[in-house]
Amino acid sequence: AQSVAQPEDQVNVAEGNPLTVKCTYSVSGNPYLFWYVQYPNRGLQFLLKYITGDNLVKGSYGFEAEFNKSQTSFHLKKPSALVSDSALYFCAVRDTGGGNKLTFGTGTQLKVEL
Amino acid sequence: EPEVTQTPSHQVTQMGQEVILRCVPISNHLYFYWYRQILGQKVEFLVSFYNNEISEKSEIFDDQFSVERPDGSNFTLKIRSTKLEDSAMYFCASTYRVNSGANVLTFGAGSRLTVL
Repeated sequence: AQSVAQPEDQVNVAEGNPLTVKCTYSVSGNPYLFWYVQYPNRGLQFLLKYITGDNLVKGSYGFEAEFNKSQTSFHLKKPSALVSDSALYFCAVRDTGGGNKLTFGTGTQLKVEL
Repeated sequence: EPEVTQTPSHQVTQMGQEVILRCVPISNHLYFYWYRQILGQKVEFLVSFYNNEISEKSEIFDDQFSVERPDGSNFTLKIRSTKLEDSAMYFCASTYRVNSGANVLTFGAGSRLTVL
């Protein structure tokens, strides 16, 4: 069975500073990895994905994520945080058995302060 | 940008009552999903639906739950007799196809169900 761990319930960072939101995964085969973001009263919005190829994936709003197979990690990063980035971030892994079922982490609340 | 819309945004019900949560997926999408998130816990897969039938369901999706697409646009989740532990945020999602790892699910804003 596949699983995702987001070890931090909340991450606080000052505006302009780099941010990292951590994610580790466990799958039996090759992982398909995703990051989603949820703003208040909104649905889960897709940020970026890793399927194959370059380990550094670039996504929406200046976010990127680095796939590290040896550490089974897929940390979300942004070089310079904005207050508007404050939201709930979910890491997810796709079921390698097919279909499109995603297994999510518990989410990390990002708070960017002035 | 196309959106998945869900109604109601919040429903309060008494234990034992039936609840129907509604979703309008993106119009050209063919695969539909329900997920839920109990407060403070993971977003959990409930069920996937394609070609008017369930394609996969989780252990959570027991006989109290059912899904249907009654009119070709709405996709509903029915909980026949709600329990306290059904209190959660329920998310609907859709996608065009699933035979590629590149597919991305588009989620709705969620329906918060509170069972008293």
